[in-house]
Amino acid sequence: GAVVSQHPSWVICKSGTSVKIECRSLDFQATTMFWYRQFPKQSLMLMATSNEGSKATYEQGVEKDKFLINHASLTLSTLTVTSAHPEDSSFYICSHVNDDRVWNSPLHFGNGTRLTVT
Amino acid sequence: GQSLEQPSEVTAVEGAIVQINCTYQTSGFYGLSWYQQHDGGAPTFLSYNALDGLEETGRFSSFLSRSDSYGYLLLQELQMKDSASYFCAVRDPDTDKLIFGTGTRLQVFP
Repeated sequence: GAVVSQHPSWVICKSGTSVKIECRSLDFQATTMFWYRQFPKQSLMLMATSNEGSKATYEQGVEKDKFLINHASLTLSTLTVTSAHPEDSSFYICSHVNDDRVWNSPLHFGNGTRLTVT
Repeated sequence: GQSLEQPSEVTAVEGAIVQINCTYQTSGFYGLSWYQQHDGGAPTFLSYNALDGLEETGRFSSFLSRSDSYGYLLLQELQMKDSASYFCAVRDPDTDKLIFGTGTRLQVFP
């Protein structure tokens, strides 16, 4: 199955700084990647859909200027949390489908990034 | 839009059988998936039901009733390592986005 590498696994930053999270597809050329956010003991909430070579599609309520997504190649998507605040502290996870030739192919997830903003 | 409801928590003992329910309301439906997530880890795919009935994969089975907008995940011969959160999910047919249910935290006790 597909392997998704996400880095860093955890990061602590000061309020007002920016943090970049990388998501790499190691054995699959992913034209589309999905970024989720998960608060403690809650479900995974889709933030945005990252499209290779084009602009990301953001879910309602997600600030596109705050959560910058870049998908410059078929193997790399990045999420930058700009001007981070304590309320942005969360678990961020990227994913892509296992096989885009198969409808409803399962998602493969990175191991997530635990962001703590102090 | 899509909404999927699950019980927030279920507890059971080792060796027991537990059922985790999922009721959904969706605009368009093309199947129900289940994912497992251990604390601090990535969700992993467990099963998928496109049609009504029971799908069995080892100790885990998943059931779907499209007429009732309902499905469940059945875990048999519970082991301590099954303690995790379980999410049902549906794929939005127009956008390919995967929408997750509210999640059920399963705690298995010795």
